[in-house]
Amino acid sequence: DGGITQSPKYLFRKEGQNVTLSCEQNLNHDAMYWYRQDPGQGLRLIYYSQIVNDFQKGDIAEGYSVSREKKESFPLTVTSAQKNPTAFYLCASSGGVGRSGANVLTFGAGSRLTVL
Amino acid sequence: AQSVAQPEDQVNVAEGNPLTVKCTYSVSGNPYLFWYVQYPNRGLQFLLKYITGDNLVKGSYGFEAEFNKSQTSFHLKKPSALVSDSALYFCAVRLWGRDDKIIFGKGTRLHILP
Repeated sequence: DGGITQSPKYLFRKEGQNVTLSCEQNLNHDAMYWYRQDPGQGLRLIYYSQIVNDFQKGDIAEGYSVSREKKESFPLTVTSAQKNPTAFYLCASSGGVGRSGANVLTFGAGSRLTVL
Repeated sequence: AQSVAQPEDQVNVAEGNPLTVKCTYSVSGNPYLFWYVQYPNRGLQFLLKYITGDNLVKGSYGFEAEFNKSQTSFHLKKPSALVSDSALYFCAVRLWGRDDKIIFGKGTRLHILP
């Protein structure tokens, strides 16, 4: 079955450590996204990528970094510069760029990061 | 600024009654609008979308949404609520142009009371 796999599901980090969240999709989608979810704040866009080897900052990119070396993979690194990293992180993908299809997002199951 | 708003943090409805979850938007150009649902500790699932055409859009699990251009709204509705509809609902809008991305409202928690 096609879908998006996020790992790990739960992650604990000590302050000052970088951590990387994995996101892999086998949907052959061009675009991939990372959102952060906090209670009462909905989903906020961290980074997105419309094509391999290219990505753009979203609304809250500070303290995060990404790469898009392969179409299937869009890992997110939460760096020590992120002051409040405890949150639920969601990866998503969509099937194309531009106006064609007005693509629906397919989401992974999420990764919950807790800073100790 | 382009945005999407969900004015209610929580909506309580008795089982069997009709439900409405509100969404308003502010975007330039014609909006592409979406509704998603999230169950605890899970990712979001797509319910329905409006692109063009009929203002009443039908989606998954008996949900529908009405696009109202003059009121810039896209309210989610269901004629008869089920307890299993209890979840967190998100309205979203696609932005085009330099920022080709999707933004979400803050979410509305729907409680269906048995």
